[in-house]
Amino acid sequence: DSGVTQTPKHLITATGQRVTLRCSPRSGDLSVYWYQQSLDQGLQFLIQYYNGEERAKGNILERFSAQQFPDLHSELNLSSLELGDSALYFCASSATVSFYNSPLHFGNGTRLTVT
Amino acid sequence: GENVEQHPSTLSVQEGDSAVIKCTYSDSASNYFPWYKQELGKGPQLIIDIRSNVGEKKDQRIAVTLNKTAKHFSLHITETQPEDSAVYFCAASKEYNQGGKLIFGQGTELSVKP
Repeated sequence: DSGVTQTPKHLITATGQRVTLRCSPRSGDLSVYWYQQSLDQGLQFLIQYYNGEERAKGNILERFSAQQFPDLHSELNLSSLELGDSALYFCASSATVSFYNSPLHFGNGTRLTVT
Repeated sequence: GENVEQHPSTLSVQEGDSAVIKCTYSDSASNYFPWYKQELGKGPQLIIDIRSNVGEKKDQRIAVTLNKTAKHFSLHITETQPEDSAVYFCAASKEYNQGGKLIFGQGTELSVKP
């Protein structure tokens, strides 16, 4: 068990809808990262937050947004969902702003299915 | 842009044999190279990592080698066991003090046959 908690485990929704994915990092970790895993794109970095502030941005669509709250949990919001958004969404956390010195620990993911 | 190529995509070995997975990265500024193991239904788990100031690192049956000139790095698993069966991902990154991203390879599905 990595200590990173993601909810829900599974989510099925229709095109055009909006969903929220939740992540609780490991105790003491200040950084939260979001990744998308799909068969054709592999593991793609979306965004990183550190202690409530956005620190790095990857291939995150404008329809997606994220935030990290004062208690350090994070939410990823996906709106105007399309079939192609169906994927596994992983949250990872690390103790410091850079995983260079404090490795990433991944949760078990949320599987999103858009129908 | 930044890219990590990983080979092979699938690998099948007999229990007790060695397994080697290779990755090539495009950004010469990359200086951190972790390897992750992902079992079915779970998230990736860090198994070993190496930094650019080191050429090789070992941890029991697992070793990673880095060739900065050729921009490639490899994972070596010796005396493979059935529980080593999983998908393995390599990744590369530049150190960002202000935060950063890992670029992952496409993964290698390792199957260890008893």
